[in-house]
Amino acid sequence: GESVGLHLPTLSVQEGDNSIINCAYSNSASDYFIWYKQESGKGPQFIIDIRSNMDKRQGQRVTVLLNKTVKHLSLQIAATQPGDSAVYFCAEVTPSNYQLIWGAGTKLIIKP
Amino acid sequence: EAGVAQSPRYKIIEKRQSVAFWCNPISGHATLYWYQQILGQGPKLLIQFQNNGVVDDSQLPKDRFSAERLKGVDSTLKIQPAKLEDSAVYLCASSLAGYGYTFGSGTRLTVV
Repeated sequence: GESVGLHLPTLSVQEGDNSIINCAYSNSASDYFIWYKQESGKGPQFIIDIRSNMDKRQGQRVTVLLNKTVKHLSLQIAATQPGDSAVYFCAEVTPSNYQLIWGAGTKLIIKP
Repeated sequence: EAGVAQSPRYKIIEKRQSVAFWCNPISGHATLYWYQQILGQGPKLLIQFQNNGVVDDSQLPKDRFSAERLKGVDSTLKIQPAKLEDSAVYLCASSLAGYGYTFGSGTRLTVV
């Protein structure tokens, strides 16, 4: 897996607004992508996934968009709530060995 | 479905001491991973098991770190002797053929 630098990008949004977190991935052969939420003191928690044969997938309040042309993923969170405060990571699964390659995390801060 | 169990949750040791972490993956998940996560960074893969065999340990510092998964279920990760730079959260994850990738809550190690 990859590691990112010490200084996480931060996204600050007003409670109730929508949040969009972006991620670039590296391997054009990756066929499965996952978004994780990591709260302080906890392990990464699965939010939503998408396979490479799709370009959009929706869950409860979350939507993932996949643009394979530019190797870009985004996570949209609707009506952001205080409980959404966390660091969000995207990850791609390499089909050859089922390993995760991690994107840069983004720290989401909710303003009251 | 029970999640990935890890213990202990926290550990404080002096440098040059040894420490061991335990992981019980989700039942039926053949693939088990150990990660090291330093504050502010994404997880870094240390070792990947498929059943009781090692798939990838290329990033494991083998002079001080060791891991085993003797019966293809539980796993232990050991550090001996510990260094200050080993202070991190050690995460265990399991998956079924690269899917259902689930993390435990981690063990926070502080080396003083």
